[in-house]
Amino acid sequence: EDQVTQSPEALRLQEGESSSLNCSYTVSGLRGLFWYRQDPGKGPEFLFTLYSAGEEKEKERLKATLTKKESFLHITAPKPEDSATYLCAPAISGGYNKLIFGAGTRLAVHP
Amino acid sequence: GAGVSQSPSNKVTEKGKDVELRCDPISGHTALYWYRQSLGQGLEFLIYFQGNSAPDKSGLPSDRFSAERTGGSVSTLTIQRTQQEDSAVYLCASSGGELAGDTQYFGPGTRLTVL
Repeated sequence: EDQVTQSPEALRLQEGESSSLNCSYTVSGLRGLFWYRQDPGKGPEFLFTLYSAGEEKEKERLKATLTKKESFLHITAPKPEDSATYLCAPAISGGYNKLIFGAGTRLAVHP
Repeated sequence: GAGVSQSPSNKVTEKGKDVELRCDPISGHTALYWYRQSLGQGLEFLIYFQGNSAPDKSGLPSDRFSAERTGGSVSTLTIQRTQQEDSAVYLCASSGGELAGDTQYFGPGTRLTVL
């Protein structure tokens, strides 16, 4: 059975305090792994896609990495505006990008 | 339009009533997805449409749920005889634009409350 686990469930950081979010997955036929950001009351906003182990992508203070069993979202020197829920979603094979979402990590960055 | 739009943004209904939720995908996107997000839960896949192909309905939780996509564009998700456990945010996504590859872009969602 396809499973995605994100940890921690919630994370509180001080502004400037770097940390990492974890996404562990067990899926059949990984086609890629997607990271999204979701603000309260809004739909998920696309951040990154990673396709193969060892791949890294960066955007501002965020860097996503991928191994065969996990993905990490590293947040460097976060700011309060980085506060959101971060969702990880492996895409499994089956003719299209079927995404299996984790429950997310709620990040709160305090000044 | 510039992004995926959904209507209504909020819907309150009584148990047993039918509801219709609408999704307008990004212009030119051929694939459309519906998800459900319950409080504190991850997004749960409901249904997938691709062009004129038969949809993948494998995620629909019961036969009270149905969806259609007219003319390869707008989609409507219908929930018949609503139950309190149907209360959730229903999200629509589209993909397949010329430059976007397989990335799914989400709308703002419809928050459904069943009393």
